[in-house]
Amino acid sequence: VQLVESGGGLVQPGGSLRLSCAASGFTFRTYWMHWVRQTPGKGLVWVSRISPDVSTTTYADSVKGRFTISRDNARNTLYLQMNSLRVEDTAVYFCAGGIATPEGNWGQGTLVTVSS
Amino acid sequence: DIVMTQAPVSSPVALGQPASISCRSSQSLVHSDGNTYLFWLQQRPGQPPRLLIYKISNRFSGVPDRFSGSGAGTDFTLKISRVEAEDVGVYYCMQATHIPHTFGQGTKLVIK
Repeated sequence: VQLVESGGGLVQPGGSLRLSCAASGFTFRTYWMHWVRQTPGKGLVWVSRISPDVSTTTYADSVKGRFTISRDNARNTLYLQMNSLRVEDTAVYFCAGGIATPEGNWGQGTLVTVSS
Repeated sequence: DIVMTQAPVSSPVALGQPASISCRSSQSLVHSDGNTYLFWLQQRPGQPPRLLIYKISNRFSGVPDRFSGSGAGTDFTLKISRVEAEDVGVYYCMQATHIPHTFGQGTKLVIK
């Protein structure tokens, strides 16, 4: 059972990145999925969530209007499209899902660096 | 936003001794569906967070039974019955009852 993030990297302020989170051995299509970020050396901050049927998405105020969460249940994959990136978006981004069930899982993270 | 306050900030504990971490929320974490979405996570040095406890007191698969969670409403506790060397790290509480979901600032467990 695992969640594997990818798509991180170095991007200039104002740029875009798309993160992916591939799920395996996990009943992906039945669970709420989340993105959480952690600034190096700092604490954890929740970013966004999406319902199993895609009907509901929610965002932290700091990313609302710039980030878009989505999922493809056929591909067991979660996405985070990040636009208009700012220096303060620099962080390790984790995906997590099924956290209110025994099958809850948390990924290894992907580093996003926003710098000129 | 719901503020999650953990205590202590740092907890020196001798091997084999118990440890206790408190987490207090600024509002009740009882959801309209009757559940309380309070979680505990462990982050070992250099590692990603690991889910330990969900809905106050339920251990995730693979979590040793020396970890236990308790509490209700706004006051919650994570207890480790006998601390082992592998338990060193930072422990976070998290609430997912309210939007935005929020985390405590973390409690660093160190071996005395």
